[in-house]
Amino acid sequence: AQSVAQPEDQVNVAEGNPLTVKCTYSVSGNPYLFWYVQYPNRGLQFLLKYITGDNLVKGSYGFEAEFNKSQTSFHLKKPSALVSDSALYFCAVRDIGNTGFQKLVFGTGTRFLVSP
Amino acid sequence: ETGVTQTPRHLVMGMTNKKSLKCEQHLGHNAMYWYKQSAKKPLELMFVYSLEERVENNSVPSRFSPECPNSSHLFLHLHTLQPEDSALYLCASSQELGRARETQYFGPGTRLLVL
Repeated sequence: AQSVAQPEDQVNVAEGNPLTVKCTYSVSGNPYLFWYVQYPNRGLQFLLKYITGDNLVKGSYGFEAEFNKSQTSFHLKKPSALVSDSALYFCAVRDIGNTGFQKLVFGTGTRFLVSP
Repeated sequence: ETGVTQTPRHLVMGMTNKKSLKCEQHLGHNAMYWYKQSAKKPLELMFVYSLEERVENNSVPSRFSPECPNSSHLFLHLHTLQPEDSALYLCASSQELGRARETQYFGPGTRLLVL
């Protein structure tokens, strides 16, 4: 089965500093990787995905992620964090369900706190 | 978030109550999902529907009963729940079920507390 790991439960940075949320994956075959963000009292919002092609994926709200096959990583980045970026970030990978359909497997999430 | 809506947003129920969660998607999608989100745990996929047909029941207890009357609506009927069922229940939808590159879009969730 495919899986992702988010090694950090929480990351704290000051506003204006770079945002990096780490994700490593374990897959057989080609990985399909996703990042979602969850703001307080909200559902998950899609940020970006890697399917194939350019290793640097650009997404919503100024976020980007770099696919690194040799390190089996897909870290989420933003050059300059805002206080409003404080949220819970989830990495996910595509897997095959019991009945053969495509499903998402999520990491445990990383809480990112940006201080003013 | 107006693409996928969920009601109610908050629900408190006793262990003997019967209640239902509702999800509606306005995106013209064909697949819908129920997830359970508990603190400190990964999202757990509960049920998957494609064109109103259930394609996955991820070992979910029978006290949770899904219903998908059409491709826009998904319900989760609850009865005789346990306190450990308290969680955020998220609904999601995607255009199709079978393609690896499909993106799932989530609703805001229902925060459930079982007393």
